[in-house]
Amino acid sequence: QVQLVQSGAEVKKPGASVKVSCKASGNSFTSYNMHWVRQAPGQGLEWMGVINSNGGTTGNAQTFQGRVTLTRDTSTSTVYMELRSLRSEDTAVYYCARQLSGGYFDCWGQGTLVTVSS
Amino acid sequence: QTVATQEPSLTVSPGGTVTLTCASSTGAVTSGHYPNWFQQKPGQAPRALIYSTNNKHSWTPARFSGSLLGGKAALTLSGVQPDDEAEYYCLLYYGGAWVFGGGTKLTVL
Repeated sequence: QVQLVQSGAEVKKPGASVKVSCKASGNSFTSYNMHWVRQAPGQGLEWMGVINSNGGTTGNAQTFQGRVTLTRDTSTSTVYMELRSLRSEDTAVYYCARQLSGGYFDCWGQGTLVTVSS
Repeated sequence: QTVATQEPSLTVSPGGTVTLTCASSTGAVTSGHYPNWFQQKPGQAPRALIYSTNNKHSWTPARFSGSLLGGKAALTLSGVQPDDEAEYYCLLYYGGAWVFGGGTKLTVL
């Protein structure tokens, strides 16, 4: 049974950065693209970006251009999302989700609450 | 900016049938958008239901089906159960970027 386990909740001040991790258990880590999605309180899902299976290509939503960096460590089956210059509007639950080519999304992490507050 | 549009809310009676749709601001939704559907209940992570228009995961109940309908992606629930009350999100692919619909809150009443 594949699982994606994310790091714990974070509280950050405006202007700071946060780095959230997502560790995959099971096999085939290198076969999957990994996406990041966020959900502000009471709001819908918002796609942030993707890092492809070999870590060589990333794509981000224009909203986050220049503020988000996605990386992956194959040796530990972990992907990371770093968001910089945090503002209060970045307060949200951040999820990782995996995807095979052809639009096959299956497994999601449990979510990480990031709170930005002075 | 590309937008995927869903019905904000729908109500269905237990045992009934309901269709949720997902429209694209760029025109007709096609299989090339790889439509995905997710279910989310309060306090939980989203759960994948349908991928690439009409393919079910091994855990997807048979009463859920995906299709293309009138230029939109569609999710149909047949024989709705009280446990189906949830928020449903579509996800569409736009050549390197993905866009979620705003979500449909499904009430079973």
